[in-house]
Amino acid sequence: DADVTQTPRNRITKTGKRIMLECSQTKGHDRMYWYRQDPGLGLRLIYYSFDVKDINKGEISDGYSVSRQAQAKFSLSLESAIPNQTALYFCATSEARGNGGYTFGSGTRLTVV
Amino acid sequence: DQQVKQNSPSLSVQEGRISILNCDYTNSMFDYFLWYKKYPAEGPTFLISISSIKDKNEDGRFTVFLNKSAKHLSLHIVPSQPGDSAVYFCAASDYNDYKLSFGAGTTVTVRA
Repeated sequence: DADVTQTPRNRITKTGKRIMLECSQTKGHDRMYWYRQDPGLGLRLIYYSFDVKDINKGEISDGYSVSRQAQAKFSLSLESAIPNQTALYFCATSEARGNGGYTFGSGTRLTVV
Repeated sequence: DQQVKQNSPSLSVQEGRISILNCDYTNSMFDYFLWYKKYPAEGPTFLISISSIKDKNEDGRFTVFLNKSAKHLSLHIVPSQPGDSAVYFCAASDYNDYKLSFGAGTTVTVRA
């Protein structure tokens, strides 16, 4: 099994719908992150959590919310999806210190029509 | 405003030759730098890192160079192999805060 698992892998949804992307990890890391990837922009941070009781906004949090249900689970929600939220979404985990980098999931490709 | 910039969207190199990828950053608080490699339909994977106390770090065919005064780092791949064809992302953070800021990526194609 993968260290960081994202579900679903692909999703097409309609404008205005609520959608949840899920992430679970077996790394035992306290820190978890949600990024989105857009062509020409790289990966941008949406939300991050340094432990179960700690949730923080990243650089592009508008239109998104998150829930840290347990150390191993971190979900991203789009309350009312819009077309410019069409992107590739990645969940990642890390240790507390900058040692060895992040571990990323395989991504969720989301299309909002 | 992107704090990490990769100004070359793509790079094509012949197998066996050197690939040089460049990255610039603007935030003087950054003191930890990483390179990630990404294949299609997969998440980015960690490749190599360097802290600001060093100016070079080497791991097999991969070497990262850091020029703090110029706020510039580069990744050298020698020799380039077909399996190196991928998108490479440069990333940076404050070591203690450890929220990574990423560049836009450089797509490397290694020609046979």
